[in-house]
Amino acid sequence: AQKITQTQPGMFVQEKEAVTLDCTYDTSDQSYGLFWYKQPSSGEMIFLIYQGSYDEQNATEGRYSLNFQKARKSANLVISASQLGDSAMYFCAMRGPWNTDKLIFGTGTRLQVFP
Amino acid sequence: EAGVTQFPSHSVIEKGQTVTLRCDPISGHDNLYWYRRVMGKEIKFLLHFVKESKQDESGMPNNRFLAERTGGTYSTLKVQPAELEDSGVYFCASSQDRNGARFFGPGTRLTVL
Repeated sequence: AQKITQTQPGMFVQEKEAVTLDCTYDTSDQSYGLFWYKQPSSGEMIFLIYQGSYDEQNATEGRYSLNFQKARKSANLVISASQLGDSAMYFCAMRGPWNTDKLIFGTGTRLQVFP
Repeated sequence: EAGVTQFPSHSVIEKGQTVTLRCDPISGHDNLYWYRRVMGKEIKFLLHFVKESKQDESGMPNNRFLAERTGGTYSTLKVQPAELEDSGVYFCASSQDRNGARFFGPGTRLTVL
């Protein structure tokens, strides 16, 4: 069965530092997609970044990059130059089996950025 | 461009009542998804529409939940009758294609008393 594991329930980082949020996944599919979402205290889910399983390069979007290590089945999110506004819950998700489009989510990591 | 919108933002109802949640996807997005997060648990998939057709409803908990997407535009999710365990946040998301980003709405927080 497909599964996403986020082992860090909470992380702290100082403003302007970089932080890595861990995500490992389990799937027997060859074709899959990995997503990261941010959920601030206001509750909405904000799409951050996407990595396809066949993408050769790591995805980047501004200060966000995805460290994709296919052999290790990990898709860690790296946030560079953290800002106070980055404090939020972060969810890693995987697009489900090849015959469905559903996302399977991890339990999330709460990131706190301090001055 | 307007994002995914959901109505209402909050709903408090009593056990046994009916509630209808609405989702308006991003214009032009054929794919529409419903998810929910029950307190302390993961975000779980409920179902997926492609236009007006249900592509995958494997996550619907039981037959008290009914989703529709008439005309392939907005979608409604009706819970009838509501039970205590239905409390949670119901998210709607839309996407242009299966490989792309799913854009989520702000969610509807449902509380069943």
